Amino acid sequence: GDSVTQMEGPVTLSEEAFLTINCTYTATGYPSLFWYVQYPGEGLQLLLKATKADDKGSNKGFEATYRKETTSFHLEKGSVQVSDSAVYFCALSDHPSGTYKYIFGTGTRLKVLA
Amino acid sequence: SAVISQKPSRDICQRGTSLTIQCQVDSQVTMMFWYRQQPGQSLTLIATANQGSEATYESGFVIDKFPISRPNLTFSTLTVSNMSPEDSSIYLCSVVAETDTQYFGPGTRLTVL
Repeated sequence: GDSVTQMEGPVTLSEEAFLTINCTYTATGYPSLFWYVQYPGEGLQLLLKATKADDKGSNKGFEATYRKETTSFHLEKGSVQVSDSAVYFCALSDHPSGTYKYIFGTGTRLKVLA
Repeated sequence: SAVISQKPSRDICQRGTSLTIQCQVDSQVTMMFWYRQQPGQSLTLIATANQGSEATYESGFVIDKFPISRPNLTFSTLTVSNMSPEDSSIYLCSVVAETDTQYFGPGTRLTVL
C-alpha cells in the first residue's frame, strides 16, 4: 500500500541555518503531497502542497518540489528562525481512491536555537 | 480554507467515564475525519464521519468505543467511551475544503487518570 517515510528527528539547528527535512513516498497512483506544521500545543496547519509532478509548493519561506522520479517531497528553508521550532509532517492524499484519506509520515521535530 | 473549532480544548477525565468532543466548521463540507495523536506520535485516522449515516471506522477502531455523530454538514461529535489511561491523546477533527486538502481543528487534549 501507499506509504510516507520521513527523516528521523529531532533536528537541531542554529538560527539562520539551512533546513532540509527529507520525505519520500510510495504510491500506486498520482497522489497530492503535503507538508503540515504543528506548533507546541496546537493542531496541524497546512504549510504547503503540490498536486502533480514538478510542482513546487511554497509558503513562509519554506518550499518543496514534487519529484516523481525520486518519489520525494523534501522540505527546505534557506534560513530558519527560532519561531520555526515545531513538528513537521509530510503526507500524501489517497485522492484517486475518492476517499481523500491521508497517509502521514511519523513527523520530524525541529528545534532552532538562537 | 475552512475555520474549525473544537470543544473542549482539553480535559482531564476519570477512568471509566466518557467524553464527547465537538467539531464545528464555518462552512458546509462533505468530508470530515476524526484522528487520534498519541503523545509524541503521528496521526492515526479513527473514522470518516458521514452525514446522515453511520461513520466508517478504520481497522482497530469500533463504534462502541468511539461513537460518532454527524447531524449536518458543519458539525460532528466524537465520544470516547469507557476511558482508560491508554486513551490519553490529542483528538483532532479535519475537513476536506478544497480539492483534496484537509484542514485541521486545534485538537482536544485528553488526559485520563
